[in-house]
Amino acid sequence: AQRVTQPEKLLSVFKGAPVELKCNYSYSGSPELFWYVQYSRQRLQLLLRHISRESIKGFTADLNKGETSFHLKKPFAQEEDSAMYYCALITSGSRLTFGEGTQLTVNP
Amino acid sequence: NAGVTQTPKFRVLKTGQSMTLLCAQDMNHEYMYWYRQDPGMGLRLIHYSVGEGTTAKGEVPDGYNVSRLKKQNFLLGLESAAPSQTSVYFCASQKGGDGTEAFFGQGTRLTVV
Repeated sequence: AQRVTQPEKLLSVFKGAPVELKCNYSYSGSPELFWYVQYSRQRLQLLLRHISRESIKGFTADLNKGETSFHLKKPFAQEEDSAMYYCALITSGSRLTFGEGTQLTVNP
Repeated sequence: NAGVTQTPKFRVLKTGQSMTLLCAQDMNHEYMYWYRQDPGMGLRLIHYSVGEGTTAKGEVPDGYNVSRLKKQNFLLGLESAAPSQTSVYFCASQKGGDGTEAFFGQGTRLTVV
């Protein structure tokens, strides 16, 4: 069965500090992985997906199949990055499965 | 372009009452999902649909039913509401079962007293 785990429910950093949000998954095939973000009072939206290998708002994420991880990183956190972040996985058969979420707070 | 619209935005129910949440999308997407969001538990999939006339169970389907009679609408029903169903419900749609983006509604906050 597919599963996504985000071990940190809460993460707090200071502005300008590096930030890493952890995501691990379990799936025997080749998954598609995503990071979604929910800013306060806004709906969930896609932040980035592993297949596009892009950097959005300074965030990057690398798929590590050996460690079954897809950690989200940003070298210098900004206050506007404060939000709830969800790692998600989709497989053939199409169940979009989310992790538990990590609430990131960037302090001034 | 409205995207994904959920109705209603807020609702308070008494235990045992029934209600239907409506999700409508105008992007001609095949896939639609219903999730519930609870503190510390993330988004859990209730039911989903991979096309008009199809539905499938997710992780937490008990106490809920769904229908997808029209491609653009995905209805979530609670036949006999329980306090454990107090949650924020999100609908999402996706073009297909691949790496395309899922679009979310604004959420429905349901309280069962």
